[in-house]
Amino acid sequence: DSGVTQTPKHLITATGQRVTLRCSPRSGDLSVYWYQQSLDQGLQFLIQYYNGEERAKGNILERFSAQQFPDLHSELNLSSLELGDSALYFCASSAQPGNTEAFFGQGTRLTVV
Amino acid sequence: TQLLEQSPQFLSIQEGENLTVYCNSSSVFSSLQWYRQEPGEGPVLLVTVVTGGEVKKLKRLTFQFGDARKDSSLHITAAQPGDTGLYLCAGAGGGSNYKLTFGKGTLLTVNP
Repeated sequence: DSGVTQTPKHLITATGQRVTLRCSPRSGDLSVYWYQQSLDQGLQFLIQYYNGEERAKGNILERFSAQQFPDLHSELNLSSLELGDSALYFCASSAQPGNTEAFFGQGTRLTVV
Repeated sequence: TQLLEQSPQFLSIQEGENLTVYCNSSSVFSSLQWYRQEPGEGPVLLVTVVTGGEVKKLKRLTFQFGDARKDSSLHITAAQPGDTGLYLCAGAGGGSNYKLTFGKGTLLTVNP
């Protein structure tokens, strides 16, 4: 158990819908990362937050947004969903933004039908 | 854009064999990490290498960081079925570059 909790574990939704994925980092970790994993693209970095502030942005679509709350949990919002958004979405946390040793949650498997 | 190429993409071997997988880039990384991922699970950190030329051993696994900090290798001795999984390398850019860049991984199958 990495200490990172992601909910839900599975999500099936229709195209055009909006979903929210939730992540609770390890106790004491201030930095949260979101990744998307698909068979053809591998693990793609989406966005990073540190102590409530956005620190780095990767290949995140404009239809996607995230935030980190004062209690340090984070949410990833995916809107106007398309079939191609079906993937595993992972959250990871680390203690400091410069310490990139990340501990991953078990992921949310999103299926868009 | 920093890219990491992992090879081979797939590797199927018999229990007891040795193997090496590679992670190469044209970019310099401040550190490089290796993760192992099992189906339906998140990646689990195995090791971090920081210094060029560094070698780290974790039981039957030996990790090496290239002198120029652009490449790394993972060698497994006497592979066991429990070693089966997706091995991912990830590079950190350092400084204010906080993101980890992942390779696509090597899918290792160790047959009993």
